[in-house]
Amino acid sequence: DTAVSQTPKYLVTQMGNDKSIKCEQNLGHDTMYWYKQDSKKFLKIMFSYNNKELIINETVPNRFSPKSPDKAHLNLHINSLELGDSAVYFCASSQDFSTEAFFGQGTRLTVV
Amino acid sequence: DAKTTQPPSMDCAEGRAANLPCNHSTISGNEYVYWYRQIHSQGPQYIIHGLKNNETNEMASLIITEDRKSSTLILPHATLRDTAVYYCIVTPRDQAGTALIFGKGTTLSVSS
Repeated sequence: DTAVSQTPKYLVTQMGNDKSIKCEQNLGHDTMYWYKQDSKKFLKIMFSYNNKELIINETVPNRFSPKSPDKAHLNLHINSLELGDSAVYFCASSQDFSTEAFFGQGTRLTVV
Repeated sequence: DAKTTQPPSMDCAEGRAANLPCNHSTISGNEYVYWYRQIHSQGPQYIIHGLKNNETNEMASLIITEDRKSSTLILPHATLRDTAVYYCIVTPRDQAGTALIFGKGTTLSVSS
């Protein structure tokens, strides 16, 4: 079984649309993250949640809204998609006070 | 911003040891040194971490200088599958939800 799974793996959509990316972890971890990797390959933290509570919210447009229905899931909803949102989005999870994070395989979002 | 400095790229012959340096001269007493790698288009993968002492696992060894201002990741017998971007990250472990802050990393190319 995949430890951290993201769906979809690829997402192509038009500007202005609203889309969601789902993330699930079966490791029993308490903390989940979303990272963005742009075309220059820089990995940047967007959000982190611990026990369904938002811990980190970096300078991310409020068009991005994470939602954690339970500890095993952290979904990312994006409103009014823009060309600059095109990137690979990685979900990750870790146990409390440990930053040995496990990453999903990424979702490649392309906005056209 | 990342608190580490790494060479942008390194080459290694297959079967030889790959020694990847990392400078973290401003590391704090409560910060650990973590190493991750990202093989092309995949999610980052945890390799090893340490605080003060040298560490070894099935993937690699981590050598931390006595003053903790630098470290070296050693892949004892590099293979073609070790070609990846290697990230050295310093981070505390005292707060749930602490995120990994990735720098530019070192692109390791292993050739036959």
